[in-house]
Amino acid sequence: EAGVTQFPSHSVIEKGQTVTLRCDPISGHDNLYWYRRVMGKEIKFLLHFVKESKQDESGMPNNRFLAERTGGTYSTLKVQPAELEDSGVYFCASSQPGETYEQYFGPGTRLTVT
Amino acid sequence: GENVEQHPSTLSVQEGDSAVIKCTYSDSASNYFPWYKQELGKRPQLIIDIRSNVGEKKDQRIAVTLNKTAKHFSLHITETQPEDSAVYFCAASTGSWGKLQFGAGTQVVVTP
Repeated sequence: EAGVTQFPSHSVIEKGQTVTLRCDPISGHDNLYWYRRVMGKEIKFLLHFVKESKQDESGMPNNRFLAERTGGTYSTLKVQPAELEDSGVYFCASSQPGETYEQYFGPGTRLTVT
Repeated sequence: GENVEQHPSTLSVQEGDSAVIKCTYSDSASNYFPWYKQELGKRPQLIIDIRSNVGEKKDQRIAVTLNKTAKHFSLHITETQPEDSAVYFCAASTGSWGKLQFGAGTQVVVTP
């Protein structure tokens, strides 16, 4: 079974530009989460989809961040316009409610804003 | 909201010794406490988890203990090996699909 995949693995952009990150969850997983780790600090929650609906977006830092999950499969996270403080590693995770609570993480996208 | 604190931030141990990482949480509604291991350049992977109806759980060389009254939980690694070197994150959440609130991570270095 394929795990969670993310694209790109690394992105370097200039301040003010736009970047779109993509996450493909494990097939059949209704829950999809976005997290971010900045400068070696803790991994912070951004938002949670259940299928195509936003269940919790309390962690989104501001309106420069837009997440979508059209059709309830893959998700995109767009940052527009990017700022220096947006640099970090963006993780996606997926899970399926049931006996196991485990969230399966993707490899992350390292975003560098210069 | 939930706040998770993790200590120490770095931990250096001799191969064969034990390692202990401690976390505290603030939200008494939290009922699920996973531990993730992230090796350099790889994705975080679940190594063990515990739910609030259990006080201790063990899986080979890894064990987790939970004290709900004191709101703290700990990861114990026995007979450490060089491949245990990684960053370890504790987390807390409510429910089966709640967001994970992570600690800041512990860099564990196991020296031969």
